[in-house]
Amino acid sequence: AQSVSQHNHHVILSEAASLELGCNYSYGGTVNLFWYVQYPGQHLQLLLKYFSGDPLVKGIKGFEAEFIKSKFSFNLRKPSVQWSDTAEYFCAVNARGTDKLIFGTGTRLQVFP
Amino acid sequence: EAGVVQSPRYKIIEKKQPVAFWCNPISGHNTLYWYLQNLGQGPELLIRYENEEAVDDSQLPKDRFSAERLKGVDSTLKIQPAELGDSAVYLCASSLGDRGTGELFFGEGSRLTVL
Repeated sequence: AQSVSQHNHHVILSEAASLELGCNYSYGGTVNLFWYVQYPGQHLQLLLKYFSGDPLVKGIKGFEAEFIKSKFSFNLRKPSVQWSDTAEYFCAVNARGTDKLIFGTGTRLQVFP
Repeated sequence: EAGVVQSPRYKIIEKKQPVAFWCNPISGHNTLYWYLQNLGQGPELLIRYENEEAVDDSQLPKDRFSAERLKGVDSTLKIQPAELGDSAVYLCASSLGDRGTGELFFGEGSRLTVL
């Protein structure tokens, strides 16, 4: 069965600090990978996704993620966070050709000015 | 373009009472999902519809939960009777299914509190 692990449950940073959130998945086949973000009081929205090709993908608001197949990882990064990045971040995976999206437990990011 | 619409946003009921949540997906999205999100957890799939057919309901507790999508558009999720442990956020999402890129579009959720 597929599973997704997010080891950082709560991250606190100051503005301009760099961010890296870990995501590891467990699945033997080909996968699609996603990062979703949920800002306070808002719905989940897509930050970025990886299907194939360049393993370094760029998303909205300066976020990027790198797919490392050998490590089953899809870590999210941002060089310099802003207060407005305060949100909950979810990594998700589905097996290629399916719609069943499996989410990690999420990482709460708090950015202080 | 309107997003996924859910109602009600908040619902407080006493245990053993029934409750229903409604979802209207993005126009043209044939695939509709209901997810459960407990506090501090990621969303977990309850049921997935392709048009009006429930193609994956393996995680739906069928003794008290039911769902329908009669005309293949909007959907209702019902709990009867509700238990204390059902307190959570119920998320609806839609997608283009096989015609899409795998991206799910989520509504704002319905937060249920069972007293």
